[in-house]
Amino acid sequence: GAVVSQHPSRVICKSGTSVKIECRSLDFQATTMFWYRQFPKQSLMLMATSNEGSKATYEQGVEKDKFLINHASLTLSTLTVTSAHPEDSSFYICSARDTGTEYGYTFGSGTRLTVV
Amino acid sequence: AQTVTQSQPEMSVQEAETVTLSCTYDTSESNYYLFWYKQPPSRQMILVIRQEAYKQQNATENRFSVNFQKAAKSFSLKISDSQLGDTAMYFCAFMKLLTSGTYKYIFGTGTRLKVLA
Repeated sequence: GAVVSQHPSRVICKSGTSVKIECRSLDFQATTMFWYRQFPKQSLMLMATSNEGSKATYEQGVEKDKFLINHASLTLSTLTVTSAHPEDSSFYICSARDTGTEYGYTFGSGTRLTVV
Repeated sequence: AQTVTQSQPEMSVQEAETVTLSCTYDTSESNYYLFWYKQPPSRQMILVIRQEAYKQQNATENRFSVNFQKAAKSFSLKISDSQLGDTAMYFCAFMKLLTSGTYKYIFGTGTRLKVLA
């Protein structure tokens, strides 16, 4: 089945630095990928929709200058958290849809970001 | 705006027993999709079952089945013969087609299920 790889699984960074998270579709092409944020014991909140070759679409309240999304190829989308602060610490999950399958998206395994 | 409500934050069930997780949603659309996802401690989101709104027949996947009541906007998940590996967070999700041609998930707040030995 469709596989989405997300890297790194865990990252710790210092306040003020930037960190990049990668999301790859391994066996299919994804023109659209999605980035979610999940706080402890809470649900997934959609942050943005990543579109290959064009600008990402951000959900209301998400700072696009802080959460930079690049979808340069049909198999790779990246999320860069710029000038990270402790409140950015969270679990970030990407997902993508294999158009060759029935409805339903495949999720990456997530990235736990800790900003110290 | 669409909303998805899971009124049971936590539930427990004895191994081999049956448990039902509830989910209600609100939408004015007629064509949509509903899903149940499982998130075990590994945090990997795993698709459990899906239902197309235009289908009257309830979806089933082995020990998992749904009770889809479109008029009542209810979409409950029944887990039969519960196993220890079913212990996880379960999210109900509504998917709609956007004008851009892509799809968007809206997730419920989740139900933490614990299967007891």
